[in-house]
Amino acid sequence: KQEVTQIPAALSVPEGENLVLNCSFTDSAIYNLQWFRQDPGKGLTSLLLIQSSQREQTSGRLNASLDKSSGRSTLYIAASQPGDSATYLCAVRSSGGSNYKLTFGKGTLLTVNP
Amino acid sequence: GAGVSQSPSNKVTEKGKDVELRCDPISGHTALYWYRQSLGQGLEFLIYFQGNSAPDKSGLPSDRFSAERTGGSVSTLTIQRTQQEDSAVYLCASSPRGGRGTDTQYFGPGTRLTVL
Repeated sequence: KQEVTQIPAALSVPEGENLVLNCSFTDSAIYNLQWFRQDPGKGLTSLLLIQSSQREQTSGRLNASLDKSSGRSTLYIAASQPGDSATYLCAVRSSGGSNYKLTFGKGTLLTVNP
Repeated sequence: GAGVSQSPSNKVTEKGKDVELRCDPISGHTALYWYRQSLGQGLEFLIYFQGNSAPDKSGLPSDRFSAERTGGSVSTLTIQRTQQEDSAVYLCASSPRGGRGTDTQYFGPGTRLTVL
C-alpha cells in the first residue's frame, strides 16, 4: 500500500527566504507525482505535475524534483512571499491496478511572514 | 470555463440525520472522484466513476456511505445516519480520461460537513 509522508508538517519563514518542502513515498511504481496548494475554504490548485520519467518541473518561482528510485520529491519555493502562505500537498499516482487514485500526504502548512 | 462545483459549501447536521453532497464536474470529463479530508489526516480516496463502468467503491468507509452519478455528469454522495466521525471536508474532482497515466484531476472547493 502506497504511503506518502510530508516533512515538515508546518513551516514559518520570513518573506524573501528560499525554502524546501519534502515528500517521500513508499512504492516507487508511480505514474506521476503532483504538488497542490490548498487555501482555507478553497479546493486544491495543482502547482506542478512530474511524470515518472521526468526529474523536475519548473513554474515561475516553483521547482519540483523527483527521485523515483529513492521515493522522494522536493518542492523548492524561491523568494517566498506572504501570498505563498497555504497548505502544500504532495500526491502520488501509483501505476498499479487502481491507477486513477491519488495518494496524498498530510501536507505542509506554510506561513510566510511580511 | 467553469471548474468543478460543489454544494453546499458548508453543512451542519445532527447526529443520525442523512445528508446529500452534490458535485458538478467539468463538462466533458468522463471521470469523477470523491475524496475526504478529515482533521489532521491527508485526503483519502472514497469512490471513482468512469463513464458507464461500475464505480470503484473500495474507499467508502462504511455502508452508510453511497454515491451515484446520473447521466455521466452530476454526482451525489449520500451519508446516512451521520456520525461525528463523518465530520470532514468532502472534495470532488473530475478528469478528462480517468485511468490514463497522464490524466490530471481538477478539484472542487469542497463541502465542509460538521456533525453535531
